[in-house]
Amino acid sequence: QKEVEQDPGPLSVPEGAIVSLNCTYSNSAFQYFMWYRQYSRKGPELLMYTYSSGNKEDGRFTAQVDKSSKYISLFIRDSQPSDSATYLCAMETSYDKVIFGPGTSLSVIP
Amino acid sequence: DTAVSQTPKYLVTQMGNDKSIKCEQNLGHDTMYWYKQDSKKFLKIMFSYNNKELIINETVPNRFSPKSPDKAHLNLHINSLELGDSAVYFCASSQSKGSHGNEQFFGPGTRLTVL
Repeated sequence: QKEVEQDPGPLSVPEGAIVSLNCTYSNSAFQYFMWYRQYSRKGPELLMYTYSSGNKEDGRFTAQVDKSSKYISLFIRDSQPSDSATYLCAMETSYDKVIFGPGTSLSVIP
Repeated sequence: DTAVSQTPKYLVTQMGNDKSIKCEQNLGHDTMYWYKQDSKKFLKIMFSYNNKELIINETVPNRFSPKSPDKAHLNLHINSLELGDSAVYFCASSQSKGSHGNEQFFGPGTRLTVL
């Protein structure tokens, strides 16, 4: 079993839809959970991070962590064409070792 | 101002050659990384340096050798290039090792093609 699993998609939604992106993980030592967004031919950029279980909201984005189920989610409300990108979940073990999921490719169709 | 820069952006070379990729960050960060992203977009850590000291060294062929002359620079030298080395290599930096979510800032990537 891989440490972090994520449906690679591609996921295609109409503009204005609510998008749900998910990751599961196997290592219960993960403490910090992050979502990175990567546009085509660019480096990833941090979108959101959460510590331990719970929800965090930032504008149209909500990150959710359920440590008991080893499951994290990113919700995007009122999706826009500019949200079209690959979304990578990431988790931190100790020091600076961050494990990335394989990414979900999202297309928002106008 | 570019926060994390990499050169070159594209690198096309023959099998067996030796090549280097350079990375510089102007964010004042203590920690720098090299990642490899394969054709399936899977981003995997290779090395990490904190204040010029190697702290993460994943299972990577010893043909790959990182060098950090100072904390603002982390270079990657690859000997005897193989077809399977073709990928996008990303450099990243973060403020320090340790807790609180550790945002990593990524460079634009170096697209390496080995023929």
